[in-house]
Amino acid sequence: GAVVSQHPSRVICKSGTSVKIECRSLDFQATTMFWYRQFPKQSLMLMATSNEGSKATYEQGVEKDKFLINHASLTLSTLTVTSAHPEDSSFYICSATRGEGFAGELFFGEGSRLTVL
Amino acid sequence: AQSVAQPEDQVNVAEGNPLTVKCTYSVSGNPYLFWYVQYPNRGLQFLLKYITGDNLVKGSYGFEAEFNKSQTSFHLKKPSALVSDSALYFCAVREAGTYKYIFGTGTRLKVLA
Repeated sequence: GAVVSQHPSRVICKSGTSVKIECRSLDFQATTMFWYRQFPKQSLMLMATSNEGSKATYEQGVEKDKFLINHASLTLSTLTVTSAHPEDSSFYICSATRGEGFAGELFFGEGSRLTVL
Repeated sequence: AQSVAQPEDQVNVAEGNPLTVKCTYSVSGNPYLFWYVQYPNRGLQFLLKYITGDNLVKGSYGFEAEFNKSQTSFHLKKPSALVSDSALYFCAVREAGTYKYIFGTGTRLKVLA
């Protein structure tokens, strides 16, 4: 099956610093990737849709200057949390579509747990 | 607007018993429906999907789901639950004309030994 790798799996940082999370599709080309945020015992909240070679599309209420998304190649998308604060602590999950049209399923990374002190 | 509802926050079932995790949907047009499972501190794993065809869809780990158009439901089922099935289950529908998914709120399944 398709594999999506996410790194790091856990990161702890100080308030005010920036953190970068990488999402890679290992065995397929992903023209579209998605970034989600998940709070404890809650569903996934879509943050943004990342398209290779173009600007990400952010969902309403998501600060694009705080959550920088770059999709520079067909296998890599990055999420940078800038000037992180404790309220940014969360579980971030990326996913990718394999380009099978709207009937194709999403493939998810293992998630990254961010803790901001 | 498209949506999915998972009416149960948690389902408890004894090991060896059949399990059902409920999902209802609201879409315009033909629904593309999915089930995913999430283990603690992990990403989501695909279980199965309904696009078209047979209403009974078989997926990974012995799970199946029945698409019921009249009841707008897509319940996840398994004939005999295992303790290792204990996890968080998400139903999802694809938003029409896009690659975006809309996820339900999740149902925590607890299989008791």
